[in-house]
Amino acid sequence: DQQVKQNSPSLSVQEGRISILNCDYTNSMFDYFLWYKKYPAEGPTFLISISSIKDKNEDGRFTVFLNKSAKHLSLHIVPSQPGDSAVYFCAARTRYNFNKFYFGSGTKLNVKP
Amino acid sequence: DARVTQTPRHKVTEMGQEVTMRCQPILGHNTVFWYRQTMMQGLELLAYFRNRAPLDDSGMPKDRFSAEMPDATLATLKIQPSEPRDSAVYFCASSGTETDTQYFGPGTRLTVL
Repeated sequence: DQQVKQNSPSLSVQEGRISILNCDYTNSMFDYFLWYKKYPAEGPTFLISISSIKDKNEDGRFTVFLNKSAKHLSLHIVPSQPGDSAVYFCAARTRYNFNKFYFGSGTKLNVKP
Repeated sequence: DARVTQTPRHKVTEMGQEVTMRCQPILGHNTVFWYRQTMMQGLELLAYFRNRAPLDDSGMPKDRFSAEMPDATLATLKIQPSEPRDSAVYFCASSGTETDTQYFGPGTRLTVL
């Protein structure tokens, strides 16, 4: 039973436009959320995170939005660049176990030049 | 340049053979994780250790999988006997504190024929 779901396996966006990647979760005990980016033949790397006490966190071109009532978070990339083409994983954890991350199945983003 | 290393990067073996994957966590990190990436499930947590002691291995098939940390610089994941359904990419990750993010290695791509 997946507690973190990424329902879009892939997304294609034109360079310069906004990319929006979505993630839904079912566990109301999750209080910290992360996005990881993964290039082929490499391990995932941390991108951005958000605590449940916030509804938005911004880092350069990347912004994560959290809607607790809908149990939904999204990652916005503006403007999208070809180098952003990768698989993006959403992850969540509870305050009771900082170490146990629950990952989604990933969304493959393709940014077309 | 501190990073998690994993060997081998690729492994092709026949059903029934023993497979050993190795991981060297980032020096000074005291928590080590083993994940498996499959197309259907995304990233699944198999097991993790803190200060070399196993904390949670509930995600690991007990009958054929085993994970150990012989010392602080080496973690191993063994599959015996291997089966075709074990074919996946296996990632090791490490973290330094309870609130730190996890740093992933490049993965071992395992193919069991």
